[in-house]
Amino acid sequence: DIQMTQSPSTLSTSVGDRVTIACRASQNVYTWLAWYQHKPGKAPKLLIYEASNLQSGVPSRFSGSGSGTEFTFTISSLQPDDFATYYCQQYSDYPWTFGQGTRVEIK
Amino acid sequence: QITLKESGPSLVKPTQTLTLTCTFSGFSLTTSEVGVGWIRQSPGKALEWLAVIHWNDVLRYNPSLDNRLTITKDTSKNQVVLTLTNVLPVDTGTYYCGHRLTQRGFDSWGQGTLVAVST
Repeated sequence: DIQMTQSPSTLSTSVGDRVTIACRASQNVYTWLAWYQHKPGKAPKLLIYEASNLQSGVPSRFSGSGSGTEFTFTISSLQPDDFATYYCQQYSDYPWTFGQGTRVEIK
Repeated sequence: QITLKESGPSLVKPTQTLTLTCTFSGFSLTTSEVGVGWIRQSPGKALEWLAVIHWNDVLRYNPSLDNRLTITKDTSKNQVVLTLTNVLPVDTGTYYCGHRLTQRGFDSWGQGTLVAVST
């Protein structure tokens, strides 16, 4: 299985901050990588697919980059609604796997 | 507008079979490039992909579930059914179904259904 490792596990930040989350794959996943936002009691929300493509309707402050085994997710200016847990997911090879999540919390 | 909704029992006993149904609208599982998958989240854990079924009947399962999973579709009812046999307490969690297009992630999700495995 392809292991997905996110860092950091927790991020204490403030509104307006720039947030960067890293995701590393144990094998080459090309650009077959998605990023999700997940809030307690809600369904996960797709933000980025194919490593850098912004899902329709998602604000442009969210972005993704990378290929191969190293990926980055960025929120350019954190908004109050952005406090949540973020997951990367590879869909290059089965079984599809998620990272362990990065919790973005209020400092 | 794509919507999905999971349904099934909230409590099952160990060794029983869990059957979950995903009822969807706004798309057809006969359309090229469309898939429906199941993902779960156990308490305090990360998301875990379980299974997917595609428009062309291609199925894939997560082997970590030790061959206990079966996914089927009923295109006339717009439903996808997931069965998990011989459930264990570690199978407790929230189960989600999601829509995807080939080369993309899951772009629409159901609200999730909470399942507890306990005596």
